[in-house]
Order: sequence, then C-alpha cells, then structure tokens
Amino acid sequence: AQSVTQLDSHVSVSEGTPVLLRCNYSSSYSPSLFWYVQHPNKGLQLLLKYTSAATLVKGINGFEAEFKKSETSFHLTKPSAHMSDAAEYFCVVSVLNYGGSQGNLIFGKGTKLSVKP
Amino acid sequence: KAGVTQTPRYLIKTRGQQVTLSCSPISGHRSVSWYQQTPGQGLQFLFEYFSETQRNKGNFPGRFSGRQFSNSRSEMNVSTLELGDSALYLCASTTGNTDTQYFGPGTRLTVL
Repeated sequence: AQSVTQLDSHVSVSEGTPVLLRCNYSSSYSPSLFWYVQHPNKGLQLLLKYTSAATLVKGINGFEAEFKKSETSFHLTKPSAHMSDAAEYFCVVSVLNYGGSQGNLIFGKGTKLSVKP
Repeated sequence: KAGVTQTPRYLIKTRGQQVTLSCSPISGHRSVSWYQQTPGQGLQFLFEYFSETQRNKGNFPGRFSGRQFSNSRSEMNVSTLELGDSALYLCASTTGNTDTQYFGPGTRLTVL
C-alpha cells in the first residue's frame, strides 16, 4: 500500500536561511510524488512533481526536491527562505486507484513553515 | 488558461440545511475530484468524476453526493448539514489520464 509521512508538523526558519521539509514515502512500485503548497485560506498550488525522469526535481519559487529510492525519501529544499514562503506544504504520492476509496492522491499531514524576519 | 474555479467561495448554513457547491475545471480537463479539508482530519478524498461517471468514492456518508455535467463542470451536494461538515471543500481537475491534479481556491463552508 502507498503512504506518505511528513516528518515535521512545523518548521521555523529565519528569512534568508535554507529550508528543509522532510517526506518519506512507501510504495510498492515506482511512484509519482508531488509537493503542494497551501497559503492561508487558499487552495493547493503544485510546487513540483517527480516522475522518474530525474531524481532532482526543480519546482517553482526556487524550491527543489530530491528523490532517493534507497532512503524512500522526497525532501523539499530551498536555499534561502523568503517571508512569502510561509505556508503549509503537503507531500503527496499518486496511487491511480481507479475505483478505490482513497482517490488517486495520498496526502501527508502537512508541514507548516514559519519564516521569521 | 484559466485555472479551476469554485463557487461560492464562502457559505454559511445552519444545521439540517443542504448545500450545493460548484467546480469548473481547467478547459480540456475531464476529471474532477473533491476533497474535504479540516484541521483535525486533514485532506480527505470525497469522490472523483470522469466523463460524467463517478470513478472513485471516499468513505463519506451518503449525505455527500456529486455529479458531473457534459461540459465537465461538477457539483457536490451535502444534505442535512451537521456542525462537523464545516470545512474547506477543494476540487481539483486533471485530464483524466494523468495523476497531476490542479486545485481550485476552495469553498469555505461554515455550519452553525
């Protein structure tokens, strides 16, 4: 069965310092993995997607994520945090479970990123 | 291309009432999925429609229903509202044969 675990519910960084949001996944086959961001009272915005073409995936707003099969991890990073990065981030694995009750995306519990000035 | 749109953005209802939420997918997308987001339960899958047919259904009571029209627009309906139905309801669309979903801004439902 597919699952995803976000290791931190809350991360706090100072503006200009690096961001690391951790995600581990469980999948019986090579998965599609995503990171979405949600700003307060907004919908989810796609940051990036991994599809096995390259292990290092670059996304929008300077974010990137590295797929490590041996560690079953898909951590999200950004070299320098900006105040506007403060939001909730979701790591997601695709299951394409047509006819199932889970839907096609399995969401982590989310990590709230706070950015201090 | 216009993104996924949801109407209304905010709703206040009282217990026992019913509500209908609307979602217009990205042009050309034939699949629409609905999610409920609450602080306690996080994001939970409600159902998915593809070409007017329900393809997946989550573990929600029968009070939650949906449909999709021939233009791919989708509606979800919640009957006999309960306080616990207060949530952000998100819809997402995709072409139907990929797994990349694009989300709308959500409808914030408050049940008093």
